[in-house]
Amino acid sequence: GDSVTQMEGPVTLSEEAFLTINCTYTATGYPSLFWYVQYPGEGLQLLLKATKADDKGSNKGFEATYRKETTSFHLEKGSVQVSDSAVYFCALNSGGGADGLTFGKGTHLIIQP
Amino acid sequence: DVKVTQSSRYLVKRTGEKVFLECVQDMDHENMFWYRQDPGLGLRLIYFSYDVKMKEKGDIPEGYSVSREKKERFSLILESASTNQTSMYLCASSLVGPNPNQPQHFGDGTRLSIL
Repeated sequence: GDSVTQMEGPVTLSEEAFLTINCTYTATGYPSLFWYVQYPGEGLQLLLKATKADDKGSNKGFEATYRKETTSFHLEKGSVQVSDSAVYFCALNSGGGADGLTFGKGTHLIIQP
Repeated sequence: DVKVTQSSRYLVKRTGEKVFLECVQDMDHENMFWYRQDPGLGLRLIYFSYDVKMKEKGDIPEGYSVSREKKERFSLILESASTNQTSMYLCASSLVGPNPNQPQHFGDGTRLSIL
């Protein structure tokens, strides 16, 4: 079956540091890939997505590139802020959208001033 | 702005009770989902529905049922609550359109405690 593996953390960085959160996946066919973010006390929000190989999703300074050859979708940001502290989930959908997403276990990111 | 509303943020129930979690979306989305979120396990799909009165089992349906009588409302039912169902429950919805990869929109979650 489908699966997503991501670093669990917590990941602690200083403000303005470079961020990478690794995500690799196993799926049948050609899945769509997503990063969701969950701020404290809130539900999940879509951060970015990519639907085919070599696509780059980007939003709020975050980027991730769909790498089919390495089955990866690593999340990066050049300079993190305290407000980026949250839990980040990598997810995939190989069923065309009608069924549920397969999530990684989430990475807790803590940014210190 | 899109909105998925879960009826309760926090809920405390007793073992053996029948528990209803309600979710309403105002986006006219066809697909609706129920997940549970547990530390170290991430989100796991319980049930989903792609149309009124239609439902499909997710990865962990045991001990749960669902109801979708109207397009905007998707209810999760714990038939006889047990302590291992203490968790954060998240509802989501998504659109069916020409692009099959529509994102899911999530509610803020219901933190359920079973005593």
